[in-house]
Amino acid sequence: AAGVIQSPRHLIKEKRETATLKCYPIPRHDTVYWYQQGPGQDPQFLISFYEKMQSDKGSIPDRFSAQQFSDYHSELNMSSLELGDSALYFCASSLQGQSSGANVLTFGAGSRLTVL
Amino acid sequence: QKEVEQNSGPLSVPEGAIASLNCTYSDRGSQSFFWYRQYSGKSPELIMFIYSNGDKEDGRFTAQLNKASQYVSLLIRDSQPSDSATYLCAVKSKDSSYKLIFGSGTRLLVRP
Repeated sequence: AAGVIQSPRHLIKEKRETATLKCYPIPRHDTVYWYQQGPGQDPQFLISFYEKMQSDKGSIPDRFSAQQFSDYHSELNMSSLELGDSALYFCASSLQGQSSGANVLTFGAGSRLTVL
Repeated sequence: QKEVEQNSGPLSVPEGAIASLNCTYSDRGSQSFFWYRQYSGKSPELIMFIYSNGDKEDGRFTAQLNKASQYVSLLIRDSQPSDSATYLCAVKSKDSSYKLIFGSGTRLLVRP
């Protein structure tokens, strides 16, 4: 079965640079989520999109932006990178609805960002 | 107070024992509850979800939900060393079905 695809898997950037992460959700899933997980931390919700519109926003810094495109893939853009942005970034997707199993998030393998 | 609270552990149990993982949440309006397992450096994998009060069993795993007391637990029977991982409790609020809030996770160690 198709899973959530994230790229790149690893990324190394210098401070103040820009990074872009990509996410391809499971086909027919209508909601995409972005999470940031620092070392030893729980996943922190950043932002989500439902049917290509921003649906909820969490602790996403103003330096970050995200969007979902017409083909449902999503991109997380991070500018003016700081050392503290080093983390695993997970994308997840789900299908909204009332049926059993709806609203269950399936996670991608993650993108590891290292800021030097 | 965090929205979803878990004991960080580690919880150490011998192989074959029952591991009991607990989670409390603060939003009384929460409607959906999930347990994910995460190995170090890997992505969270769904173990179980539960929506209604009571128990839900799936193989060696049982999720228990008590909305009145605002807690959800996960029991793992016949624990195996391969169950050693961090178990994340996650909650979805009725106010937003577009985000899942995670607890900080409980690290489980199953001793051979």
